[in-house]
Amino acid sequence: DVKVTQSSRYLVKRTGEKVFLECVQDMDHENMFWYRQDPGLGLRLIYFSYDVKMKEKGDIPEGYSVSREKKERFSLILESASTNQTSMYLCASSQMGGYTIYFGEGSWLTVV
Amino acid sequence: SQQGEEDPQALSIQEGENATMNCSYKTSINNLQWYRQNSGRGLVHLILIRSNEREKHSGRLRVTLDTSKKSSSLLITASRAADTASYFCATDIEGGSEKLVFGKGTKLTVNP
Repeated sequence: DVKVTQSSRYLVKRTGEKVFLECVQDMDHENMFWYRQDPGLGLRLIYFSYDVKMKEKGDIPEGYSVSREKKERFSLILESASTNQTSMYLCASSQMGGYTIYFGEGSWLTVV
Repeated sequence: SQQGEEDPQALSIQEGENATMNCSYKTSINNLQWYRQNSGRGLVHLILIRSNEREKHSGRLRVTLDTSKKSSSLLITASRAADTASYFCATDIEGGSEKLVFGKGTKLTVNP
């Protein structure tokens, strides 16, 4: 089975802190994604990576950056956390041309 | 950008009844997928239907696709309490990248 592991399930951070959300997949997938999920807004794509060191902005990249130094690992970085970034963050991966996306269990981030 | 929109937003039924959820989208697609999300967890892929298919079955799930109306429906037959979850449709964009765009979801409650 494909496994997408998000390192932290629940985090509480202070405004202005730098936050790292880590994600690892074990199926050698080329594509990796970071989504944000908020009530009433559904899932919104933050960033997409289709290869090591390659990335594309999604719908809401502002305030976020990403890093993909190894194929299996995709990190989401909040350079200076703000309260409006309190949300559930979902990491996912897929094969190139595979269509089906496999999700991690999510990371609940609260910024106070 | 929101591609898919599910309808209804919430649905409450009794065990044993059928549940139907609908999804409308805006642009031409290659594939449409349905995902399920248990409360507070990641999404799980249920079924994929290609743009040249009209109907697909998987166990108690039946998906239809009408590309002329840009709409899809997910039918869950003989529902169980364990089917209680949110259901999302997701579409790619014909000729686009491998990113999926998700709708806001239908929250299904199956009462025992």
